[in-house]
Amino acid sequence: RKEVEQDPGPFNVPEGATVAFNCTYSNSASQSFFWYRQDCRKEPKLLMSVYSSGNEDGRFTAQLNRASQYISLLIRDSKLSDSATYLCVVRRNTGFQKLVFGTGTRLLVSP
Amino acid sequence: NAGVTQTPKFQVLKTGQSMTLQCAQDMNHNSMYWYRQDPGMGLRLIYYSASEGTTDKGEVPNGYNVSRLNKREFSLRLESAAPSQTSVYFCASSEARDQPQHFGDGTRLSIL
Repeated sequence: RKEVEQDPGPFNVPEGATVAFNCTYSNSASQSFFWYRQDCRKEPKLLMSVYSSGNEDGRFTAQLNRASQYISLLIRDSKLSDSATYLCVVRRNTGFQKLVFGTGTRLLVSP
Repeated sequence: NAGVTQTPKFQVLKTGQSMTLQCAQDMNHNSMYWYRQDPGMGLRLIYYSASEGTTDKGEVPNGYNVSRLNKREFSLRLESAAPSQTSVYFCASSEARDQPQHFGDGTRLSIL
């Protein structure tokens, strides 16, 4: 089982729709979580950190469910510019690799 | 503010050739990383440098070497390129190993 798992998608949604992605992680001791965004053939960019109490940044809401070991990203009122791949990132507490990246969920927002 | 700068952006090599990918950051970050990204595989860590003067192997170090030249610069060397090393390479930096990472815009490397 991969340490961080995401549905690769693509999720096809119309403009204005609400869409949510989940990401599951296997290491229950993981401490920190992030969502990155990656546009086609571009570098990943930090979208938001995920806090235990959940957090919101404009149209984006991130949630953490430690009991079920998943994090989620909700995008409201989708824009065409939201089309991208969203990477889930989990911080390990041990081992050489502090941040572990998921393979990403692709979102396509259409007019 | 340039952030993380990688050179070159594109490169085509023949099998057996060597080359060095350069990376520099201007954010005064302590930690730097080299990743490769292949379709369906996600980002895989090749090498990292937790701080100036130290380097360590990541998940997929075979066929690569690195040098942390100073706090700003972290280079990745392919001594004898193989077709399996065809990939997109990203350099990243962070204030510390457990902080969010900032990425360069990548080097697209093809090995024939």
